Amino acid sequence: EDQVTQSPEALRLQEGESSSLNCSYTVSGLRGLFWYRQDPGKGPEFLFTLYSAGEEKEKERLKATLTKKESFLHITAPKPEDSATYLCAVQAAGTYKYIFGTGTRLKVLA
Amino acid sequence: SQTIHQWPATLVQPVGSPLSLECTVEGTSNPNLYWYRQAAGRGLQLLFYSVGIGQISSEVPQNLSASRPQDRQFILSSKKLLLSDSGFYLCAWTTLDGNNEQFFGPGTRLTVL
Repeated sequence: EDQVTQSPEALRLQEGESSSLNCSYTVSGLRGLFWYRQDPGKGPEFLFTLYSAGEEKEKERLKATLTKKESFLHITAPKPEDSATYLCAVQAAGTYKYIFGTGTRLKVLA
Repeated sequence: SQTIHQWPATLVQPVGSPLSLECTVEGTSNPNLYWYRQAAGRGLQLLFYSVGIGQISSEVPQNLSASRPQDRQFILSSKKLLLSDSGFYLCAWTTLDGNNEQFFGPGTRLTVL
């Protein structure tokens, strides 16, 4: 069964304290792995898509990486405005469905 | 550019009442459309998806139904709401350019009392 597990559930960082969020997945043929940011009361905002192991993508202070079993979202020198829930999702080959993890709630303290 | 709309933004309904949530997408043609529900502190649960007009795939058997009367319109309905239907309902669409990127609407907060 396709599955996505995110860790930690919650993370508190001091401003400038870099860290990584983990997304472990089990899927029968990966079509794509997606990262989203979600602010309270709003819809998820698309960040990155990764398609194959070894791929990396960057956007401002965020960098996403992918292996055959997991993905990491690295946050470098975070700021309070990076506080949000970060969601990971996978799409298996041959399907239209997306499987989401439960997210990591990130709080960055000034 | 593409935009996705959902309404209403918030809704408070009594148990046993009907439900109709609407989602429309602008700036694209023949998108794949999705309905998700997000319970407090939980991930996104896929409810329905559609790859074309009149085509609906259901992921969770329950008292909800979906319809796609037009290419860029997706409707979520119920004849009688349950307390457990409360949650944050999200509509999403995906690109057909091979990237499969999914974009979400602003959501509807439903409270069933």
